Amino acid sequence: SQQGEEDPQALSIQEGENATMNCSYKTSINNLQWYRQNSGRGLVHLILIRSNEREKHSGRLRVTLDTSKKSSSLLITASRAADTASYFCATETDNQAGTALIFGKGTTLSVSS
Amino acid sequence: GAVVSQHPSRVICKSGTSVKIECRSLDFQATTMFWYRQFPKQSLMLMATSNEGSKATYEQGVEKDKFLINHASLTLSTLTVTSAHPEDSSFYICSVPGQSSHEQYFGPGTRLTVT
Repeated sequence: SQQGEEDPQALSIQEGENATMNCSYKTSINNLQWYRQNSGRGLVHLILIRSNEREKHSGRLRVTLDTSKKSSSLLITASRAADTASYFCATETDNQAGTALIFGKGTTLSVSS
Repeated sequence: GAVVSQHPSRVICKSGTSVKIECRSLDFQATTMFWYRQFPKQSLMLMATSNEGSKATYEQGVEKDKFLINHASLTLSTLTVTSAHPEDSSFYICSVPGQSSHEQYFGPGTRLTVT
């Protein structure tokens, strides 16, 4: 099953602009993760935010979490063409480390130069 | 982080044949591995949990007799798609959970095309 929705499904921007992607989930969580997938490739872990955190930064990435709304957002600042990829949020089944992930539907980001 | 490989990266097979996909954890032992399937422009859906030395756990709707999983060693899990049909054409990705973290490490995926 999928955890929730992500929007937008597709996003096209110019280099240098910021990209914001949103994710909603259905169940209570201990943490939420964001992954990136280049076309036809595996996934790469970007960032994890715990349920007691509201915001987290990593380089040009900023993630927010609103547990009351069961939603999270991923902001990529000063985007580059190399940021072109699909981005997925994910939560753990059973809220335990080492368990499988449930993924959102993903946002496909296209950054043009 | 862990390095996970998959082989083959692409495979084309004829309907009715079987295809084996390997997932290897290259730098640490994994008692558990996960197999996901991803259809074009869609998200990843968990198919099964591969457990070293015991039977795999399959998600609802995934036929265990069609998708055979073997996890005979701590570094290798295999997924065999038996009697493949065109509707089995998909991107199959494995993952290994981190040893001391919540993140997971994904293989590069295998593109299966059944003609």
